[in-house]
Formats: sequence, structure tokens, C-alpha cells
Amino acid sequence: KNEVEQSPQNLTAQEGEFITINCSYSVGISALHWLQQHPGGGIVSLFMLSSGKKKHGRLIATINIQEKHSSLHITASHPRDSAVYICAVWYDKIIFGKGTRLHILP
Amino acid sequence: NAGVTQTPKFRVLKTGQSMTLLCAQDMNHEYMYWYRQDPGMGLRLIHYSVGEGTTAKGEVPDGYNVSRLKKQNFLLGLESAAPSQTSVYFCASSRGGYEQFFGPGTRLTVL
Repeated sequence: KNEVEQSPQNLTAQEGEFITINCSYSVGISALHWLQQHPGGGIVSLFMLSSGKKKHGRLIATINIQEKHSSLHITASHPRDSAVYICAVWYDKIIFGKGTRLHILP
Repeated sequence: NAGVTQTPKFRVLKTGQSMTLLCAQDMNHEYMYWYRQDPGMGLRLIHYSVGEGTTAKGEVPDGYNVSRLKKQNFLLGLESAAPSQTSVYFCASSRGGYEQFFGPGTRLTVL
């Protein structure tokens, strides 16, 4: 069983839709990291959180430590949000999910 | 500030050849990391460093060596490249165990 599971693996949506990407993990963690990988390959840090909720622009990340689950939400999605979104968890090491490929249609 | 830079961006090697990938950061970060990214798999940690002169093994260290002689640089070496090392390599840095900043990646092909 993978220690970090992301769902869905692929997601296509229309511009303006509300997007939710999920990350579940099986170990006790100290922090969780959401990353965005652009089509060109570059990786950008979005959020690092260990509890509660964080918001930056149209992006919101939440984490429930008891349920070992985190969600990344995108409000008013736009084609430029098309990317792979990666969840990573820290415990005694760092483990990455395989990513969710998001495609927003204009 | 340039952030995290990687050299080279692309490289093709023959089996058995050696090479060194250079990662440099100008953010005065203590921690630096080398990852590989393969199709269908998440990023995997090869080696990391928590400070100048220190290195430690990650999840997939075999076939790689690293050095951190200067705080701003982290080198990844392949002594005898194998086709299984064909991958995209990412370097990252962080201030302590906080969010990581990634370099643009190096695409390596071993024939």
C-alpha cells in the first residue's frame, strides 16, 4: 500500500469550476506539502501545513490530522491552473504522492 | 535572486560514463536535496544534506554519491551511469525542515 495516495489521478474541468484534489496518508506526519508542477516541468511550492487551513489567492489547502487527509481546493479555476499537483508528507522522511494531473478547459 | 539553479539542463551519457550534476542556491538555506522523478512514480529522495559538510542517504541512494563542500552547492555524482538512471533530477533547498524550493530539473538519458 502506498503511504501517500492522491485522488483523482486525472481531472478535466471547465473554466470557472471549483476543483478539489485529495491526499490521504497512512503514517503520522509532522507536515504536509502541496506542490504544483507546470507542464514545462518546473516545481513550485504552494503550501506547507501541519494543521487547519491555509489560503493563498484562489487556492485553499486543508488538513485533518486525525483522519490523515488533506485537500487542495481551487476556486474559479482557469486554464493556467492546468498542471500536476503533488502532495508530500514529512515524518522521518519525505514521501511524495504520484500527483493529480489537472486540465482546465477554456 | 536566482533561487535554485541546476547545471546542466540536459545530458546524454553512455553506459559506464560518469558525470556530476551541480545544484546551487542563493537563499542561504541549510538543507539541500536531490530527487529523481520517473514516469508513473512520485519524486524519490536520493540524498540530502542538513548543512555544509554533511550528507545523508535518502530512499534511492544506490549508484549515486553527493558532496556539500560549500553551503550554497550540492553536487550529485554518477560514477558509472546505467540505463536505470535515466530520469529527471531535481534539486531543492529549504530553511530547516520547512517548505522546499526546487530547481528547474536536469533531464538525463543513459544509453
